[in-house]
Amino acid sequence: EAQVTQNPRYLITVTGKKLTVTCSQNMNHEYMSWYRQDPGLGLRQIYYSMNVEVTDKGDVPEGYKVSRKEKRNFPLILESPSPNQTSLYFCASSLFPGTDYEQYFGPGTRLTVT
Amino acid sequence: QQPVQSPQAVILREGEDAVINCSSSKALYSVHWYRQKHGEAPVFLMILLKGGEQKGHEKISASFNEKKQQSSLYLTASQLSYSGTYFCGTGSGAGSYQLTFGKGTKLSVIP
Repeated sequence: EAQVTQNPRYLITVTGKKLTVTCSQNMNHEYMSWYRQDPGLGLRQIYYSMNVEVTDKGDVPEGYKVSRKEKRNFPLILESPSPNQTSLYFCASSLFPGTDYEQYFGPGTRLTVT
Repeated sequence: QQPVQSPQAVILREGEDAVINCSSSKALYSVHWYRQKHGEAPVFLMILLKGGEQKGHEKISASFNEKKQQSSLYLTASQLSYSGTYFCGTGSGAGSYQLTFGKGTKLSVIP
């Protein structure tokens, strides 16, 4: 089944403890992206990747890191999480870079930082 | 800058029609529409491109006014399953890799 998977789905952690949220897609998509969703703010893009080893900042990149060493995986790293990073995170992918193509979203990761 | 969606929320009875609008302050190349049900991931509905091309589900209708930098999503004869939050995402150029989403429109369809 074609899908985007994220792990973990739920995570509660403490301020400053490094964490990684994994994202994987099995559709051979070139483009992958991370969004965060907060009440009343909609979806805001954190980082995106046009292909392996090619990444760029979205609208809200502060406090996050990404890497794209393989086409299928695009992990999101929070080196020192803070409470303002408590949010619902979505990974998405599309066949090619560019806004001509539909994006497929993962199921989401709900992160709470205390 | 995020596109502006209106209305923020709307309640419909089954069978009624609704229009959701998406407006940008920047010139647009593409507009995406997604629907998100509570507790789920956003799901693709439609893409509208500058020049008139559209890709998406046959039962969904939308328009794209390039000059006014606006798009509208038309939901006709609404069903209970249409309930959810609708997001528009805008792309500013053919070479742009970034979609910027609006804050969403919450649609509730009641019997």
